[in-house]
Amino acid sequence: ELKVEQNPLFLSMQEGKNYTIYCNYSTTSDRLYWYRQDPGKSLESLFVLLSNGAVKQEGRLMASLDTKARLSTLHITAAVHDLSATYFCAAKETSGSRLTFGEGTQLTVNP
Amino acid sequence: EAQVTQNPRYLITVTGKKLTVTCSQNMNHEYMSWYRQDPGLGLRQIYYSMNVEVTDKGDVPEGYKVSRKEKRNFPLILESPSPNQTSLYFCASEGQRGYGEQFFGPGTRLTVL
Repeated sequence: ELKVEQNPLFLSMQEGKNYTIYCNYSTTSDRLYWYRQDPGKSLESLFVLLSNGAVKQEGRLMASLDTKARLSTLHITAAVHDLSATYFCAAKETSGSRLTFGEGTQLTVNP
Repeated sequence: EAQVTQNPRYLITVTGKKLTVTCSQNMNHEYMSWYRQDPGLGLRQIYYSMNVEVTDKGDVPEGYKVSRKEKRNFPLILESPSPNQTSLYFCASEGQRGYGEQFFGPGTRLTVL
């Protein structure tokens, strides 16, 4: 059974600082997803990572995937208040279709 | 505009009264799924569908039914709702045969009294 763990679960950071959210998964996976959720809203897809070594960047967010370590990271560069939200990673088992989410990381960026 | 729609957005009902939450997507996606989100338990997959007439259980399928008679629609059916099904429900669709970006609907907040 695939398990997905994120850390930290809560992250308070200052504007302008850098930080990384980690996502570990327990069995082989060939698809890793990152989502953002604002309070009271739906989920917004940020990144889909499909291969070992994949790196994708959008604005101040960069996601990477290391399938050998079963680890994905979401790196935040020079955080701004607008990035405050809950970030989820999720994974699908190799060749499977069931999607398992991590617990989510609640990010607060303070001025 | 590419979108996933859900109806109703809010629903308060009573134990045992059958209900259906509709989900529709306009992107011709093969893959659709349902999730529930609960405080402290995160997001959990209920059912998913790889294509018309192809559905399978997710992590928490008990008490739910689904059908996929058309590619665009994937309704979630609660035959006899119970209070433990009070939750926030999301429908999502994904292209590229399950290897693409997932688009989520706006959510349905269900309360079962």
